[in-house]
Amino acid sequence: QVQLVQSGAEVTKPGASVKVPCKASGYTFTSYYIHWVRQAPGQGLEWMGLINPSGGRTTYAQKFKGRLTMTRDTSTSTVYMDLSSLTSEDTAVYYCARDEVGYPYGMDVWGQGTTVTVSS
Amino acid sequence: SYDLTQPPSVSVSPGQTARITCSGDALPKQDAYWYQQKAGQAPVLVIYKDNERPSGIPERFSGSRSGTTVTLTISGVQAEDEADYYCQSADSSGTYRVFGGGTKMTVL
Repeated sequence: QVQLVQSGAEVTKPGASVKVPCKASGYTFTSYYIHWVRQAPGQGLEWMGLINPSGGRTTYAQKFKGRLTMTRDTSTSTVYMDLSSLTSEDTAVYYCARDEVGYPYGMDVWGQGTTVTVSS
Repeated sequence: SYDLTQPPSVSVSPGQTARITCSGDALPKQDAYWYQQKAGQAPVLVIYKDNERPSGIPERFSGSRSGTTVTLTISGVQAEDEADYYCQSADSSGTYRVFGGGTKMTVL
């Protein structure tokens, strides 16, 4: 079945980086964008950016430019979200979600989320 | 940056109709989507392309658009519909996605 599987919880320190994987299965990996969306405790959803696994092209929200990097490994159908210079405000659940390239079908499959805690 | 505006909360009795609005200047040009998020769970897509329902979403969920506002309507609300609802669209260029602030729907 179609799945996006994310890693377990991460705890990291201020100033460090975190790299969160999102492994896709059950569909053609290169036919769907992967978006990253985060949700701070008690807050709403925040779109961070997307990657097109077909060519690796990325689009990042202005807020994260300069410290957000998304990459993909087509051999393992995995997308990585790397966020650097972390502060306590980056403590959140990070979700990946797919979205079919060229079609307005929305983010129809989501990962289970990865909790990232930034604490000294 | 571009914003989508939703009411923070709505309350509805079982069997009644709930309407949740989402306003944004670029909505006349961009498709709108709605997601349901229950406590402790990942979001679920309930409406795409303004008014289309994905497979498996009950018919009581519908979407509509009027100018710069899109609306999610839930007819015959059930207790299981209690959740946070988020609209999502893109800026006028279609490049950057954006979520509304979310609406907490309480079933009385």
